[in-house]
Amino acid sequence: AQSVAQPEDQVNVAEGNPLTVKCTYSVSGNPYLFWYVQYPNRGLQFLLKYITGDNLVKGSYGFEAEFNKSQTSFHLKKPSALVSDSALYFCAVRAILTGGGNKLTFGTGTQLKVEL
Amino acid sequence: KAGVTQTPRYLIKTRGQQVTLSCSPISGHRSVSWYQQTPGQGLQFLFEYFSETQRNKGNFPGRFSGRQFSNSRSEMNVSTLELGDSALYLCASSTGDRGSTDTQYFGPGTRLTVL
Repeated sequence: AQSVAQPEDQVNVAEGNPLTVKCTYSVSGNPYLFWYVQYPNRGLQFLLKYITGDNLVKGSYGFEAEFNKSQTSFHLKKPSALVSDSALYFCAVRAILTGGGNKLTFGTGTQLKVEL
Repeated sequence: KAGVTQTPRYLIKTRGQQVTLSCSPISGHRSVSWYQQTPGQGLQFLFEYFSETQRNKGNFPGRFSGRQFSNSRSEMNVSTLELGDSALYLCASSTGDRGSTDTQYFGPGTRLTVL
């Protein structure tokens, strides 16, 4: 079975500083990894995904993520944080199901707080 | 393209009642998945429908059920509501093509409160 761990419940960063939100995964076979963001009282918004290829994946709103197979990590990064980036971030791994189909397993989420 | 829509956005029910939630996927998407989000359990997969058939199921009791119509719209039903069913129910759609690496796009959710 696959699993995702987000070791930090909350990350605080000053506006303009780089941010990192950590994610490690466990999966048999090739991982399909995703990052989503959730603003209060909203659904999940897709940021980026890793399927194969370059280890550095670029996504929406200036976010990127670095896939590291040896460390089984998929950390989310942004060079310069904005106050508007403050939200709840989820890492997810997609199960490879014999019958096909979609099933995402999510981490517990990391609350990002960007302060002036 | 319009995004995933869910109705209603908010629901208040009492224990023992049943509830039906609706989800309209992005046009052209044939897969609809449902997730439950609670503060204690986080995001948990309920089930997935593809071409009117349940393709995958999570570890939820039989009180939770769903269906999908020929236009890919999906409904989920919860019978005999319990206090613990209070949650944000999220619907996600994708193309669902077998072997694809497509992305799930989420709706805004339905907030269910059970009193």
